[in-house]
Amino acid sequence: QVQLVQSGAEVKKPGASVKVSCKTSGYTFTNYALSWVRQAPGQGLEWMGWISPYNGNTNYAQKFQGRFTMITDTSTNTAYMELRSLRSDDTAVYYCARVLGGGTLTPNWFDPWGQGTRVTVSS
Amino acid sequence: QSVLTQSPSVSGAPGQRVTISCTGSTSNIGAGYDVHWYQQIPGTAPKLLIYGNNNRPSGVPDRFSGSKSGTSASLAITGLQAEDEADYYCQSYDRSLSGSWVFGGGTKLTVL
Repeated sequence: QVQLVQSGAEVKKPGASVKVSCKTSGYTFTNYALSWVRQAPGQGLEWMGWISPYNGNTNYAQKFQGRFTMITDTSTNTAYMELRSLRSDDTAVYYCARVLGGGTLTPNWFDPWGQGTRVTVSS
Repeated sequence: QSVLTQSPSVSGAPGQRVTISCTGSTSNIGAGYDVHWYQQIPGTAPKLLIYGNNNRPSGVPDRFSGSKSGTSASLAITGLQAEDEADYYCQSYDRSLSGSWVFGGGTKLTVL
């Protein structure tokens, strides 16, 4: 079955960077884009961006442009995200999710999701 | 504030029907973009519940259904069960944000 397994929790100081991995299995990695979504404590979901493992194309949410990078490694079927210049309000659970569907008026949807990686930013 | 607006909470007794609304604007749902729904049980990752307004992935019970009209969408749950207690999120696309996928703020469903 399709699985996305993320790396473990991280604790970082303000100003530092964090890198989270998302190892996929059960499908052809290059056939589907992957997206990153975060959820601050007690808050809703926030889309951060997507990446195509096929050609490396990316689309970043405006809010994160400049300090957020997504890459993929097709040799290990793994996606990575890096968030730099961390602030306390970056404390959240970060999810990767496979991107499905899409069309002219049909936004892509996300299925399945990784288990999430908790990132805590604290001095 | 989320681009898509959901009521913070809704509740119902076992066996009842509840609806969860998701209100957008003319730059997202009202522009014709479809809506998807996710269920998130506390402490776990979101799970796709409905895609393309009213389509259920394999394994999702037919007690869950979706609809869309104008600038809003709704998720209906019939025959409420204790296991339905969770947070529910709507998702669509907003063309005013340089092309961005957007979520609602979430609705917490309590089964009484």
